[in-house]
Amino acid sequence: SQQGEEDPQALSIQEGENATMNCSYKTSINNLQWYRQNSGRGLVHLILIRSNEREKHSGRLRVTLDTSKKSSSLLITASRAADTASYFCATDEDSNYQLIWGAGTKLIIKP
Amino acid sequence: DADVTQTPRNRITKTGKRIMLECSQTKGHDRMYWYRQDPGLGLRLIYYSFDVKDINKGEISDGYSVSRQAQAKFSLSLESAIPNQTALYFCATSHSRDSLEDNQPQHFGDGTRLSIL
Repeated sequence: SQQGEEDPQALSIQEGENATMNCSYKTSINNLQWYRQNSGRGLVHLILIRSNEREKHSGRLRVTLDTSKKSSSLLITASRAADTASYFCATDEDSNYQLIWGAGTKLIIKP
Repeated sequence: DADVTQTPRNRITKTGKRIMLECSQTKGHDRMYWYRQDPGLGLRLIYYSFDVKDINKGEISDGYSVSRQAQAKFSLSLESAIPNQTALYFCATSHSRDSLEDNQPQHFGDGTRLSIL
């Protein structure tokens, strides 16, 4: 089953621009996590936001969570070529502590 | 993440063969996971283990088995490989907490690319 669904599936922007990716989910959650995957590598955790939080920052990353709309967004400001990667959201099912993953957004930063 | 090591990194094999993928970690985490990644489908959980004596089936466990040999080692086996098991396989670890919010960040190896002909 797929809990999180990212939108858009792919995004191509110029270096220096901001990139926004969205994630929607279906059931109630305890937290939502965002990960990055560079080509040929494993996933790297970026940010965890709890269900009672609305916004969280980490460097150039800003994550928002709207539990009423069951959605989250990841904003990357002042994008760099090194931000080129796929970005995934993952949510928990509160019954068995597993993470459910979306299909990801592929972000390409053009120099 | 060099703290989670998967071997082999690539493997090509034939239908019907038995295959073992290995994962070891130096993070001291008690929880370990095996996922497969297919294009356009994200990650799907195969098996997970919360400690050495605890093994649980994930969403897609059919055709797979696992062994948690030690806290640091978690292996995945395909007893008789079939072509639709061709995928990228990831091992991950996490630390457990005694709290209502129990899903901590997961740390991934770099994956095993498995091709079954």
